[in-house]
Amino acid sequence: AQTVTQSQPEMSVQEAETVTLSCTYDTSESDYYLFWYKQPPSRQMILVIRQEAYKQQNATENRFSVNFQKAAKSFSLKISDSQLGDAAMYFCACLNYGQNFVFGPGTRLSVLP
Amino acid sequence: DTGVSQNPRHKITKRGQNVTFRCDPISEHNRLYWYRQTLGQGPEFLTYFQNEAQLEKSRLLSDRFSAERPKGSFSTLEIQRTEQGDSAMYLCASSSGATGARNEKLFFGSGTQLSVL
Repeated sequence: AQTVTQSQPEMSVQEAETVTLSCTYDTSESDYYLFWYKQPPSRQMILVIRQEAYKQQNATENRFSVNFQKAAKSFSLKISDSQLGDAAMYFCACLNYGQNFVFGPGTRLSVLP
Repeated sequence: DTGVSQNPRHKITKRGQNVTFRCDPISEHNRLYWYRQTLGQGPEFLTYFQNEAQLEKSRLLSDRFSAERPKGSFSTLEIQRTEQGDSAMYLCASSSGATGARNEKLFFGSGTQLSVL
């Protein structure tokens, strides 16, 4: 079974600075996908970024990038030039191909003006 | 593309009553998922469907919970004899689920917030 761990319950960052959120996962599959989702106070889950395990290149989406270390089963999210609108809960998730998505417990990110 | 729609947005019920929630996924999506989320926690998997077939149910899903997707389109989640511990946000999500698809992404609805008094 997959498990996803986020060891940082809360993080804070100064506006315009960079912050990294950690995630580790455990899966026995070779074909899987990793995701970061953002959940603002509205509680609407929004996809931030996605990584295919078979790709060595780290995914990037504008100010968001990941550091995917397959051997270490680590998948961290880096947010550059943090903005007030980035404040939210961030969830790491793993999908074994053909199975269901498993989410971590989340990291609450605060952005300080 | 109207996104994933969930109804109602909020439901307040008394302990012991039955409740039913509805989810309309993105029209071309084959897979539909139900998650439960309590405040400050991550979404907890309940069950998912591939078209009308229920492929997996969490062991956390007691016999009081039942989900259906009769025609492979919308889905309902029913909770019988509600308990205070059932109070949570119930999230529905859908994905394409197409065989061989390598661009799987979950699209979430806005959720149904259940309060059991």
